[in-house]
Amino acid sequence: NAGVTQTPKFRILKIGQSMTLQCTQDMNHNYMYWYRQDPGMGLKLIYYSVGAGITDKGEVPNGYNVSRSTTEDFPLRLELAAPSQTSVYFCASSYRGRQGETDTQYFGPGTRLTVL
Amino acid sequence: QKEVEQNSGPLSVPEGAIASLNCTYSDRGSQSFFWYRQYSGKSPELIMFIYSNGDKEDGRFTAQLNKASQYVSLLIRDSQPSDSATYLCAVNMLSGGSYIPTFGRGTSLIVHP
Repeated sequence: NAGVTQTPKFRILKIGQSMTLQCTQDMNHNYMYWYRQDPGMGLKLIYYSVGAGITDKGEVPNGYNVSRSTTEDFPLRLELAAPSQTSVYFCASSYRGRQGETDTQYFGPGTRLTVL
Repeated sequence: QKEVEQNSGPLSVPEGAIASLNCTYSDRGSQSFFWYRQYSGKSPELIMFIYSNGDKEDGRFTAQLNKASQYVSLLIRDSQPSDSATYLCAVNMLSGGSYIPTFGRGTSLIVHP
């Protein structure tokens, strides 16, 4: 199993450009998540999905969009990139655990994005 | 506002000592708690999870949970330089009908020889 894969690993964008961060998992997990991590900070949830066709906003969704058409893929779209979106982005997935809660999360290697 | 609080550190301990990492959370309804380790430039990986009050041991690691005090901790015995990393506490909290992890900002641990 490859686990959770993310592409690209690094990207530099100009202000106003758009891009899609790709995330794929091969563990047949129900739940998938997108986080951003700024230096010295924890993980902030951008969007999450509890299954194909179902997505919901996290703590910091502004400036981002997601879709989940399959169990395996959960792309994150950045529209009109801004310097405030400079961060490391992590995708994660998990099973639906006990009592419907999130189980252990498995993280991808991350995408380091710089907006200039 | 649902929050998970951790002391950002750094926490510096000598090799062989016990490192104690602490986390408090705001949602009394939370039932699942996780500790992740993150090396610099890498992604988080699970150390332990705990669901019930009390202690849970796994090798050199012990997680402690006190739901009444809304407090969870991680003890690392016989600390090694390879334990130097940031430790993230994650607590499942109700969001939009689902219990989703909320992360603390992490505690940086430095184990010096």
